[in-house]
Amino acid sequence: NAGVMQNPRHLVRRRGQEARLRCSPMKGHSHVYWYRQLPEEGLKFMVYLQKENIIDESGMPKERFSAEFPKEGPSILRIQQVVRGDSAAYFCASAGTSARDEQFFGPGTRLTVL
Amino acid sequence: GEDVEQSLFLSVREGDSSVINCTYTDSSSTYLYWYKQEPGAGLQLLTYIFSNMDMKQDQRLTVLLNKKDKHLSLRIADTQTGDSAIYFCAETTTGTASKLTFGTGTRLQVTL
Repeated sequence: NAGVMQNPRHLVRRRGQEARLRCSPMKGHSHVYWYRQLPEEGLKFMVYLQKENIIDESGMPKERFSAEFPKEGPSILRIQQVVRGDSAAYFCASAGTSARDEQFFGPGTRLTVL
Repeated sequence: GEDVEQSLFLSVREGDSSVINCTYTDSSSTYLYWYKQEPGAGLQLLTYIFSNMDMKQDQRLTVLLNKKDKHLSLRIADTQTGDSAIYFCAETTTGTASKLTFGTGTRLQVTL
């Protein structure tokens, strides 16, 4: 059973471009969480999704950021018109059938905005 | 509001015990966790404790929770060089759909 997969592992974008980060949860998991880690800081919650539903997006910036978890395929975190302040590591975690289940983390995508 | 704080750095000698501390402010915390992050990697769950417990032991790891003072600690016995990493405490609170609130992380350096 493969763990949580994220790709790409490293992503470089120029200011103004779009960044798409993908997360494939563990098999059988229906809960996905996205967290952002700025340099030398802890992880900050961004969004919590179940299949086709956004449950909690209280940590998402109001503009330029969106997330989805379609019925088929990976969860996508999309950042439009990236700025240098978006440079960070973005981690995805998945959990099983209950919101109280342990969250398993992926290796992260390190986004660098030039 | 939610706020979780940790000291930034800890250095110990191999074979000694390490104690990493964490304070939190939200009294409605339900579960408290310790995660380990090695360089360039994701987070690995080490252990967790439910808020109605005050201690949990798991091999070399001992978690102590003082709910009155909102203080959590992780003790690593017989610390090894492979324990060098960043350690994060985290909490979930009732009504927040299990999102994790993380501390700032403590970098543990193990010296020979």
